[in-house]
Amino acid sequence: EVQLVESGGGLVKPGGSLRLSCAASGFIFSTYSMNWVRQAPGKGLEWVSSISSSSSSYIYYADSVKGRFTISRDNPKNSLYLQMDSLRAEDTAVYYCARAPPRVDYQYMDVWGKGTTVTVSS
Amino acid sequence: EIVMTQSPATLSVSPGERATLSCRASQSVSSNLAWYQQKPGQAPRLLIYGASTRATGIPARFSGSGSGTEFTLTISSLQSEDFAVYYCQRYNNWPPLTFGGGTKVEIK
Repeated sequence: EVQLVESGGGLVKPGGSLRLSCAASGFIFSTYSMNWVRQAPGKGLEWVSSISSSSSSYIYYADSVKGRFTISRDNPKNSLYLQMDSLRAEDTAVYYCARAPPRVDYQYMDVWGKGTTVTVSS
Repeated sequence: EIVMTQSPATLSVSPGERATLSCRASQSVSSNLAWYQQKPGQAPRLLIYGASTRATGIPARFSGSGSGTEFTLTISSLQSEDFAVYYCQRYNNWPPLTFGGGTKVEIK
């Protein structure tokens, strides 16, 4: 079964850091692009970051997180990560890990994890 | 930046009726458009990509159409499990990847 499982969410103070993980199974992780998408409470979906299958082709960020968040992946461990630094209240959201086809121009998301909740509050 | 606008924000439909959801792009996105369904407390699920191709396992009552700036998701005969929020997403000339604001389909 194709599956993505996020972990690492929690409560953190403004200015703090958190590292999210996403464990992939049931498919050849190293051949797919990966994304992080978030959803603030009661709001819509917001793209956060994308990384190519090998990490070397591209890494992109939304302007709202650029310079504060770092996406990475470990293909032998079938894992995706999101290092979040300098967290703000507006980063409070459910964070989803999502798979996209390998082609850079096919960046729709065909498999999603259940999400992990990040709350930034003092 | 290309803005995706969905309408209406809420659509009230009776079970068995047809639902028509709209997604408009501020500039052409060609056919690089996907539709997702999200139920409360769940992750989004891919319904349509390439504007009109159903994803694996998606029932035939879901259909997508359009190209350029105007897109439509049609649910031919609403089932109880179809009441949810629907999002469109464009993926041309990215980054960024952008989603529409969503349409909530509720029971009339």
